[in-house]
Amino acid sequence: AQSVTQPDIHITVSEGASLELRCNYSYGATPYLFWYVQSPGQGLQLLLKYFSGDTLVQGIKGFEAEFKRSQSSFNLRKPSVHWSDAAEYFCAVGDNAGNNRKLIWGLGTSLAVNP
Amino acid sequence: GAVVSQHPSWVICKSGTSVKIECRSLDFQATTMFWYRQFPKQSLMLMATSNEGSKATYEQGVEKDKFLINHASLTLSTLTVTSAHPEDSSFYICSARFDSLKNEQFFGPGTRLTVL
Repeated sequence: AQSVTQPDIHITVSEGASLELRCNYSYGATPYLFWYVQSPGQGLQLLLKYFSGDTLVQGIKGFEAEFKRSQSSFNLRKPSVHWSDAAEYFCAVGDNAGNNRKLIWGLGTSLAVNP
Repeated sequence: GAVVSQHPSWVICKSGTSVKIECRSLDFQATTMFWYRQFPKQSLMLMATSNEGSKATYEQGVEKDKFLINHASLTLSTLTVTSAHPEDSSFYICSARFDSLKNEQFFGPGTRLTVL
């Protein structure tokens, strides 16, 4: 069955430090992959997505992610974290089975940023 | 583009009453809309998928008679929580999709429901 694993439940980094959030997926075919960010009490905002082509994907707010098929991973990175990046981050994979094509969600990683 | 709105953003109601939440795609026609429920500090739980003009498809364990979903047009879906109880208190989020080929969903800002 399709699944998404975000191994880190909570991460704390210092402002200005680099960041990597891990995401591993289990999916039989070429996946559609997404990273979303959710600020407290808010809906979700798409950071970036991978459908095909270049495996290094650039997103909004200075984020990027790299699709590594051999490792079944789609890790999110940012070279220098800002205090405003503190939020919940969700990785998702598109489930192309059936007619509804749902998203399969990871449990999320909560990011705290120290000043 | 691809903006989704939800109304209301928060609602407080008494136990036993019904609450309707609206989800609108403002600048595109949504072939499919999704309703999620999110508990504090947890991931999104898909409740149901609705396609315009047809009955919603509910996920296992979601009571269809309690959570009524109507997708009357390509830009509007509604979720009605019937006979609400305190355990229904949660954050409800809708999303919409216009490209059925690529799974990408656009999310509303969410509705905080508190049942007293």
